[in-house]
Amino acid sequence: DAGITQSPRHKVTETGTPVTLRCHQTENHRYMYWYRQDPGHGLRLIHYSYGVKDTDKGEVSDGYSVSRSKTEDFLLTLESATSSQTSVYFCAISEGVLAGNEQFFGPGTRLTVL
Amino acid sequence: AQKITQTQPGMFVQEKEAVTLDCTYDTSDPSYGLFWYKQPSSGEMIFLIYQGSYDQQNATEGRYSLNFQKARKSANLVISASQLGDSAMYFCAMREARNNNDMRFGAGTRLTVKP
Repeated sequence: DAGITQSPRHKVTETGTPVTLRCHQTENHRYMYWYRQDPGHGLRLIHYSYGVKDTDKGEVSDGYSVSRSKTEDFLLTLESATSSQTSVYFCAISEGVLAGNEQFFGPGTRLTVL
Repeated sequence: AQKITQTQPGMFVQEKEAVTLDCTYDTSDPSYGLFWYKQPSSGEMIFLIYQGSYDQQNATEGRYSLNFQKARKSANLVISASQLGDSAMYFCAMREARNNNDMRFGAGTRLTVKP
């Protein structure tokens, strides 16, 4: 199994508070991704990183920011959490971006915004 | 924009029988990859199988095979000899070569294997 951990695994917070989720990998993969999973939508890409300090927006990036200061860590920040950001968040890594490079997923973080 | 459609929200299959989970996609990029992932009730996403748009043969991985019909833009997952442990959500996904950091997922199909 790919070495990917996410922390925290569960979090309950209140509307308007900042939240940071952490993804940590031990595979030294260049590419890292943050997705959110909601019923009826599958997984949707929030942000991704193609190297240290190199990030870009995905399909549903509004309200989220990311940072990657080290190869192994990719942080997702909700500056001011809203109830619509209640979701399960998955981090993924990939060795490359050729069509055949599968993504390996972390265990997920369940975030509830009250 | 790329789009993935899984039309079966839920499927039931008898243990030891085969089942087909449908996936259709829409893209104008001639180069793309198709993926299937399994998500058991424990929540993790498990990669199952990959098919490239230029692959001549259908992909197979153990009991999983991908029925790739390029002209119809379909990439159905076939699970042979279903087991109780196959009960899970299954997601089809696609990544285009021209937008290779953007993997798009379908809404998923929940498969239940009956004993």
